[in-house]
Amino acid sequence: EIVLTQSPGTLSLSPGERATLSCRASQSISSSYLAWYQQRPGQAPRLLIYNAFRRPTGIPDRFSGSGSGTDFALTISRLEPEDFAVYYCQQYDNSQITFGQGTRLDIK
Amino acid sequence: QLLLQESGPGLVKPSGTLSLSCSVSGGSIRTGSYYWGWIRQSPGKGLEWIGSVYYDGRTHYNPSLQNRVNISLDTSKDQFSLRLSSVTATDTAIYYCASPKCSDTSCYNFDLWGQGTLVIVSS
Repeated sequence: EIVLTQSPGTLSLSPGERATLSCRASQSISSSYLAWYQQRPGQAPRLLIYNAFRRPTGIPDRFSGSGSGTDFALTISRLEPEDFAVYYCQQYDNSQITFGQGTRLDIK
Repeated sequence: QLLLQESGPGLVKPSGTLSLSCSVSGGSIRTGSYYWGWIRQSPGKGLEWIGSVYYDGRTHYNPSLQNRVNISLDTSKDQFSLRLSSVTATDTAIYYCASPKCSDTSCYNFDLWGQGTLVIVSS
């Protein structure tokens, strides 16, 4: 089973600042199989990034994904008030799916 | 467009079986997606993939749950179902059904999510 470790656990920033969230895999994974989600309180997760760096239709371009192999990142270029939420990475490997434990993005 | 909706009892007794259904509307469960999945979230915790059922009925489960879980398709009702046996308090969680939209993004992530349903395991 591939374990995803996200860091930091909590990130405290102010609106307008840049956020960088990390996701490290226990073994190398294809970029095609790495996704990021945003979850706001009381809501289901929302897909933000797929294939490590692609954005679904409707996701603002301030969200970007990068990385390869075992190290991936989600960057939010300029934080908006609605971006303060919990973020999860997820991988798919041979029909097995795992999520990272999440990074909470708090308002400073 | 496809919509997903979970349904089932919100309270299950310890040692009992948790049974949930996910109704697919706006399309057919046989052709609407490559696979359909269940994910859960314990109170205040992260996301845990439970398992997936593919369009042809194949299933894949989280190794930590595979001895207790069964996921199946009901094509006549455009539903897929989750059964989790021998439940304990640690199975208390919000249960989500979800699926990829391969034509829009990729088959390796979950684009569509139900709203989630809270299941409490308690006597």
